[in-house]
Amino acid sequence: GAVVSQHPSRVICKSGTSVKIECRSLDFQATTMFWYRQFPKQSLMLMATSNEGSKATYEQGVEKDKFLINHASLTLSTLTVTSAHPEDSSFYICSARTSGTFYEQYFGPGTRLTVT
Amino acid sequence: GENVEQHPSTLSVQEGDSAVIKCTYSDSASNYFPWYKQELGKRPQLIIDIRSNVGEKKDQRIAVTLNKTAKHFSLHITETQPEDSAVYFCAAPRTYKYIFGTGTRLKVLA
Repeated sequence: GAVVSQHPSRVICKSGTSVKIECRSLDFQATTMFWYRQFPKQSLMLMATSNEGSKATYEQGVEKDKFLINHASLTLSTLTVTSAHPEDSSFYICSARTSGTFYEQYFGPGTRLTVT
Repeated sequence: GENVEQHPSTLSVQEGDSAVIKCTYSDSASNYFPWYKQELGKRPQLIIDIRSNVGEKKDQRIAVTLNKTAKHFSLHITETQPEDSAVYFCAAPRTYKYIFGTGTRLKVLA
């Protein structure tokens, strides 16, 4: 149980375009999902917390107009990187928390975004 | 807010030896401490966790110890094997979120 999927696993896009990444909880309902960004050889940095049916909460320094998050259902959250630039190239990982747990998070496999 | 420091950043051990990674946290209210293993290009995998009502937890070759007074917790891997080579992250909660340590790159030398 507690499986989280992400799609796509890899994406290459051109500067100025937008990219959507999907995060799904496959066998449980996720009231809260988290979006992280990870640069090579660095730790996971929380970008935002996504709650079903409400606006996302962004961490300090994360541009909410650039990284659009939508958590439309209890099993799906999406992250859209708008007007992508090469510096947005990174590994994006989502995680999900069930309503029955307070701290335990289950991670998706990640999406490697390359902006050319 | 919570701050998590992790040491060492890199660790090389001979196969069969033990490895110890330590994290310190700042928020005395934190009560849950997971450890994750991340292989290159893959997702973090929870390998062990501990709650603040116990001082130690063990799962085969992996153990975690918690010192609430000193606000630190450690990951212990015994009888290391080459497949233990990965990056290990500790985390501590800040309300419902995780604050991750900076990671430890463990290399087990055959």
